[in-house]
Amino acid sequence: EDQVTQSPEALRLQEGESSSLNCSYTVSGLRGLFWYRQDPGKGPEFLFTLYSAGEEKEKERLKATLTKKESFLHITAPKPEDSATYLCAVLWGSYIPTFGRGTSLIVHP
Amino acid sequence: EAGVAQSPRYKIIEKRQSVAFWCNPISGHATLYWYQQILGQGPKLLIQFQNNGVVDDSQLPKDRFSAERLKGVDSTLKIQPAKLEDSAVYLCASSELASLRTQYFGPGTRLLVL
Repeated sequence: EDQVTQSPEALRLQEGESSSLNCSYTVSGLRGLFWYRQDPGKGPEFLFTLYSAGEEKEKERLKATLTKKESFLHITAPKPEDSATYLCAVLWGSYIPTFGRGTSLIVHP
Repeated sequence: EAGVAQSPRYKIIEKRQSVAFWCNPISGHATLYWYQQILGQGPKLLIQFQNNGVVDDSQLPKDRFSAERLKGVDSTLKIQPAKLEDSAVYLCASSELASLRTQYFGPGTRLLVL
């Protein structure tokens, strides 16, 4: 059973069509939740860290929120350059990071 | 500030051969991670170092994989002998400390085992 589950696996949007990506986790003792962006052929690039339920972070068209069992990455009016795979990772227990499988986002012009 | 450096960027080997990957973390970062990322999946932690000590290597296939971090700076990950299922991208990341610190990733090494 996966400890970190991301949905949907893939998402296609039209430019300007807002949507949300989900990351749910079953680990106990969450220390932090991270969102990364990964472009093809590159390593993941840090976006946000969330530490406690109710916390929100924003950066340009992206907004990340955290509840007790899941996090959402909201994308407002996306542009083609937002196309990438978005990875969620949780830090728990002895600060061991566990990643989800990612959501592949394609934004069509 | 220079990022995490990895080499080589690409490697093609035959099964049962050995291969080594090198990582140079961001200067001053105490924690270093090696991940395996199979196509279409998220990164899976193989080993985590704090300075030159191992914090976690529970998912490292120790019969064929080994890693070291001499002097708490550079690190090397080795596979011997390689299997077809080892074909993946091997990512190195570093952070200031393990606890609640952002990980910065290198570009990865793409390994193809034929």
